[in-house]
Amino acid sequence: AQKITQTQPGMFVQEKEAVTLDCTYDTSDQSYGLFWYKQPSSGEMIFLIYQGSYDEQNATEGRYSLNFQKARKSANLVISASQLGDSAMYFCATSLNDYKLSFGAGTTVTVRA
Amino acid sequence: DADVTQTPRNRITKTGKRIMLECSQTKGHDRMYWYRQDPGLGLQLIYYSFDVKDINKGEISDGYSVSRQAQAKFSLSLESAIPNQTALYFCATSDPSGSSYNEQFFGPGTRLTVL
Repeated sequence: AQKITQTQPGMFVQEKEAVTLDCTYDTSDQSYGLFWYKQPSSGEMIFLIYQGSYDEQNATEGRYSLNFQKARKSANLVISASQLGDSAMYFCATSLNDYKLSFGAGTTVTVRA
Repeated sequence: DADVTQTPRNRITKTGKRIMLECSQTKGHDRMYWYRQDPGLGLQLIYYSFDVKDINKGEISDGYSVSRQAQAKFSLSLESAIPNQTALYFCATSDPSGSSYNEQFFGPGTRLTVL
């Protein structure tokens, strides 16, 4: 399995501010996908955003954007205008051509009012 | 109705018991996966199946077995449960032909406790 590193176990952010969640990955493949999932306290896994390794532009989905730096093997998630409902655990994951996902250990985000 | 369902949602069992977790999907996807999540950690792949006749081991298959009864059904069995198999178990599906990036859709999870 690939190694995915999320160095921030937990983060606090003030409501309406932006927060960046770090993710680095280790692969020698040229073709791969990068995913971010959200897991609220209820436990379900919610897909947020995807970036392909050949995509030249950074992916965006509403308040979520992915800061993709291929040379650094980095795929950071930026959540803008944080809301209380953004409090959750966030997982970075990658997939190679075999389509299996490898997950990082996750970052817990707590949004303060 | 949910596209990916898991039964049971919660289960408490004893060491040595045989347990089956079931997953059903109405998405029409060929690919199905079983993951395990330990408290405070990410998900690890147990088994996956790319079609009804295909079964593959993931990273942590020891102590587990699976059955793909139909395109829509993928079951995970613990032949003789042990306490360190206490975890949250997720089923997921995907369909590469329907997406450019093989997004996986997850069920709600089954919380298993082995005493």
